[in-house]
Amino acid sequence: EVQLVESGGGLVHPGGSLRLSCAASGFTFSSYWMHWVRQAPGKGLVWVSRVNSDVSSTNYADSVKGRFTVSRDNAKNTLYLQMNSLRAEDTAVYYCARVYWGGGTDWYFDLWGRGTLVTVSS
Amino acid sequence: QSALTQPRSVSGSPGQSVTISCTGTSSDIGGYNFVSWYQQHPGRAPKFMIYDVSKRPSGVPDRFSGSKSGNTASLTISGLQAEDEADYYCCSYAGRYTFVVFGGGTKLTVL
Repeated sequence: EVQLVESGGGLVHPGGSLRLSCAASGFTFSSYWMHWVRQAPGKGLVWVSRVNSDVSSTNYADSVKGRFTVSRDNAKNTLYLQMNSLRAEDTAVYYCARVYWGGGTDWYFDLWGRGTLVTVSS
Repeated sequence: QSALTQPRSVSGSPGQSVTISCTGTSSDIGGYNFVSWYQQHPGRAPKFMIYDVSKRPSGVPDRFSGSKSGNTASLTISGLQAEDEADYYCCSYAGRYTFVVFGGGTKLTVL
């Protein structure tokens, strides 16, 4: 089955760190650029980060730049998001998403996981 | 506050049509024909419904259609069905520095 499964969320104190994982299965993970998108409680979706197939290119939203690092291990079919210096406003469900290659831009997401909740609170 | 503006909620009866609007600026929706829409049922992963303003990925029913005029994109669902009740999010490419922006989401209720 083609799917993405996130893990690693939990409760962390402000200033703390957390590493999220996203396990991919059912498709050739190494061929796809991957994204992280988050959703604060009761709020809309917000793009967080992107990594290309070989980790030679990464992009970040301004709100997380310098604090979050995206990476991947193609041998393990796994995407990661290292989150440091966490703030209350980082509290959200974090989704990993796969790029859709069939459109006019590489900023579409055709496969999403069910998300993992990160709560930043003292 | 989300970059793109959507109505908080819309509703319709089975068999009817509803349209969800998504308003941005000339820096996103108005500047590119790269609008997408996602459907999300409670507790579920978002589902890819529309791309390139009006194209449907394989498997999405043709009851779902997209359009754009100026800085506003729209998603129309015709022949409403109970399973269409969900949250819908618009998304637009926004250039090489902002990359992509989403709307705040619209809750569709099928009466």
